Amino acid sequence: EVVMTQSPLSLPVTLGQPASISCRSSQSLIHTDGGTYLNWFQQRPGQSPRRLIYKLFKRDSGVPDRFSGSGSGTNFTLRISRVEAEDIGIYYCMQGTHWPPITFGQGTRLEI
Amino acid sequence: EVQLLESGGDFVQPGGSLRLSCATSGFTFSTTAMNWVRQAPGKGLQWVSGITNSGDKTYYADSVKGRFTISRDNSKNLLYLQMDSLRGEDTGKYYCIRESWVPWGQGTLVIVSS
Repeated sequence: EVVMTQSPLSLPVTLGQPASISCRSSQSLIHTDGGTYLNWFQQRPGQSPRRLIYKLFKRDSGVPDRFSGSGSGTNFTLRISRVEAEDIGIYYCMQGTHWPPITFGQGTRLEI
Repeated sequence: EVQLLESGGDFVQPGGSLRLSCATSGFTFSTTAMNWVRQAPGKGLQWVSGITNSGDKTYYADSVKGRFTISRDNSKNLLYLQMDSLRGEDTGKYYCIRESWVPWGQGTLVIVSS
C-alpha cells in the first residue's frame, strides 16, 4: 500500500499571502504509462470534497488559477498564490497510480 | 449535469447490515468504473471499494474485505454497497464517486452503535 504523508497538518495563513502544502508518497507515483496520478481535493467546512488538481498539475474546470500543483516521483506540492477567505478548509492529496488500494493523505487544515 | 445521490444510511447496531445505494445520472454509467469512499466524523477520507464498469472486477480496502460487497445494476444506473457485520469504526459518511473523482455527492451517513 502506498502511504501518503501530508505536511503540515495544520497551516495558519494570512489572507492575500501564499500558502503551500506538501504531500509525500512512500513510492514513486509515476505510472508505467508515464502519467502521475496524483490528485488534490478541497473540503470546505460542512461540504463534500471537491477535486482541484488531477494528474499532478491539471486544474479542474472552475478552479481559480491561484491554485497550482507540482512535483515529481514521491514529492508533491499544492500552492495557493494568494489565499482568499473561501480557501479555508481541509486539503487532501490522493494517489491513483498504485491501486488497490487508492490512498489519501491525512489532510491539511488551512485556517486563518 | 452529472449527479450522484447516495442513500440508505441509517443507525444500526454492531453486527448489523445495511445496503447503500447510489443513483446516478448525467453520464454513461455502464462505461464508468465506480468507487465508494468514506469519512468518519472529524476524520479524513478513506477509499472503501471499487468496481469496474461491467462489474466483473471488484476491489476492497483490507478493513472491509469479507464484510462489504460492492455491486452495480447498469440497467438502472445504480451502484450498491452491501455492508455486513458492521463495526463502530464503520461509522461515517459514505460517498459514491466516479473513476474520474468528479463530482462528489452529499453522501449518506452510517452510524454503528449500540
